[in-house]
Amino acid sequence: GESVGLHLPTLSVQEGDNSIINCAYSNSASDYFIWYKQESGKGPQFIIDIRSNMDKRQGQRVTVLLNKTVKHLSLQIAATQPGDSAVYFCAENPYSGGGADGLTFGKGTHLIIQP
Amino acid sequence: NAGVTQTPKFQVLKTGQSMTLQCAQDMNHEYMSWYRQDPGMGLRLIHYSVGAGITDQGEVPNGYNVSRSTTEDFPLRLLSAAPSQTSVYFCASGLAGDYNEQFFGPGTRLTVL
Repeated sequence: GESVGLHLPTLSVQEGDNSIINCAYSNSASDYFIWYKQESGKGPQFIIDIRSNMDKRQGQRVTVLLNKTVKHLSLQIAATQPGDSAVYFCAENPYSGGGADGLTFGKGTHLIIQP
Repeated sequence: NAGVTQTPKFQVLKTGQSMTLQCAQDMNHEYMSWYRQDPGMGLRLIHYSVGAGITDQGEVPNGYNVSRSTTEDFPLRLLSAAPSQTSVYFCASGLAGDYNEQFFGPGTRLTVL
């Protein structure tokens, strides 16, 4: 089964509100956890990653939190905009084989922005 | 830079036909990979390459072949198409050693009848 999964398939938020997208993982040995954004009809786009020895990392309008105790990852998007509408995937890099043997993706959460 | 380009954008095949999905990148990335994306599922790795002349299998390699004769190109060959291979295929590239940040192409939507 999937080692990386998401709690909710669809998340609807008001424009301007903060969005929180959650993800559970099962592989405690993963070295990195990553968030990707996929807009309709496009390929996924890297947003941010976090190493397993960190619990928080901030980017531009995004924050990723990692809770290793409960194996939980979240992506927070501040002041959500219409352009944030997309499917968001969490992924993990197990780092087996040096990391080259690919990322393990979760199923995705569809973020819908209400005007 | 054009980034990662994929052709064709759409393709319909009959069961048993073969074809090649093209992928090219102009970022001089050593690492390239192919994923498939099925409805309601995340992306699954088919094959990857860490440099010209080097390829390896991912999670779901059966029914697919790859080769890497140049840094820029990484074609994916379907040997004998099956309905189970109906999917959207994404090619990605990245810097060697930074496997978290992959740059994805726009995808090829393949239907096998």
